[in-house]
Amino acid sequence: IAGITQAPTSQILAAGRRMTLRCTQDMRHNAMYWYRQDLGLGLRLIHYSNTAGTTGKGEVPDGYSVSRANTDDFPLTLASAVPSQTSVYFCASSDSTANPSPLHFGNGTRLTVT
Amino acid sequence: GQNIDQPTEMTATEGAIVQINCTYQTSGFNGLFWYQQHAGEAPTFLSYNVLDGLEEKGRFSSFLSRSKGYSYLLLKELQMKDSASYLCAVMDSNYQLIWGAGTKLIIKP
Repeated sequence: IAGITQAPTSQILAAGRRMTLRCTQDMRHNAMYWYRQDLGLGLRLIHYSNTAGTTGKGEVPDGYSVSRANTDDFPLTLASAVPSQTSVYFCASSDSTANPSPLHFGNGTRLTVT
Repeated sequence: GQNIDQPTEMTATEGAIVQINCTYQTSGFNGLFWYQQHAGEAPTFLSYNVLDGLEEKGRFSSFLSRSKGYSYLLLKELQMKDSASYLCAVMDSNYQLIWGAGTKLIIKP
């Protein structure tokens, strides 16, 4: 089934550790996104990529980095995790050549930083 | 600043109709999206409005008034499976999505 796969599903991480959240899509969408979702807040964009080889900063990029080596993969790295990065992380993609171009979301990674 | 407002929580009865409102103030406007998100799951796309008026899709309809910065999602013939959060998102002039915090809809038998 076509879609977005995120891994891991959940993770408990000690503060100061490095962590990479994986995201892979098989829809050949050119645009990909990383969001965090926290209770009482709207989805907040961390980083995005409009096409392979390019990335951009979203609303809350500090403490996170991304890469887009190819169309399918868009990993998110926390270089040194802090408790405020405890959240649910969603990867999403869209076909920005379409209008409208709704987002397709992965099932999320629930991250707890202790 | 940019802002999306929607009620935090609503309760409705199975079989009834419910209207979830969304008001927005954004830098420009390139369309409004509604998403459904069941607890513990990913958001899924419901509707898109870019012109004023009503868009109907089965039991769900979405309305937009650009002059008022206002949209609503109308759910008819409510079913228990409609219990979910409903997220409103506006695409601004830079084609970035601004998200509301979501409305948790509770359906009672």
